[in-house]
Amino acid sequence: DSGVTQTPKHLITATGQRVTLRCSPRSGDLSVYWYQQSLDQGLQFLIQYYNGEERAKGNILERFSAQQFPDLHSELNLSSLELGDSALYFCASSVSANYGYTFGSGTRLTVV
Amino acid sequence: AQSVSQHNHHVILSEAASLELGCNYSYGGTVNLFWYVQYPGQHLQLLLKYFSGDPLVKGIKGFEAEFIKSKFSFNLRKPSVQWSDTAEYFCAVKEVDTGRRALTFGSGTRLQVQP
Repeated sequence: DSGVTQTPKHLITATGQRVTLRCSPRSGDLSVYWYQQSLDQGLQFLIQYYNGEERAKGNILERFSAQQFPDLHSELNLSSLELGDSALYFCASSVSANYGYTFGSGTRLTVV
Repeated sequence: AQSVSQHNHHVILSEAASLELGCNYSYGGTVNLFWYVQYPGQHLQLLLKYFSGDPLVKGIKGFEAEFIKSKFSFNLRKPSVQWSDTAEYFCAVKEVDTGRRALTFGSGTRLQVQP
């Protein structure tokens, strides 16, 4: 157990639907990072939140959004899902990215 | 934009063989460097990291990596691999002196160790 909790572990949904992935960071970490891992794209940075505020955006589609709540847990919302959105979605937390991340176990999203 | 290259996509070794996985990055400024390992079905775990000082860093499970600034490289090594080292290995880079806030990962190297 890394201390970073992601739910659900698996999610199967249909195209066009909307899902929410949840992440609770390790105790004391204020930053949450979301990554998408697919076979052809590797680990792609999506978005970062720090203490409730968006801090950095990567290759995140407009159909995707995220937020971080006062208790520091974060949610990644994926809407109008397409087959190509099928991937592993990882959340990571840190005190500072300069020192690396602690990763959660990921959510495997399958869009059918 | 920063890029991280792991040229070996899939490596197959026998137990007790030596391992070296390549990692090259493009950013010319100050960097922090990381190797992560992902065992089948598990999350990414930190193997080792380099911030400054001795360019040869030692991590967990007998792994080490050498930072060669002139070559923009941070190769991972292990003198003698075990079957339990079968996993995917990711190199990651953090630009220290820019506004870039996230780690950039390489595409990963899948290591298969045969008993």
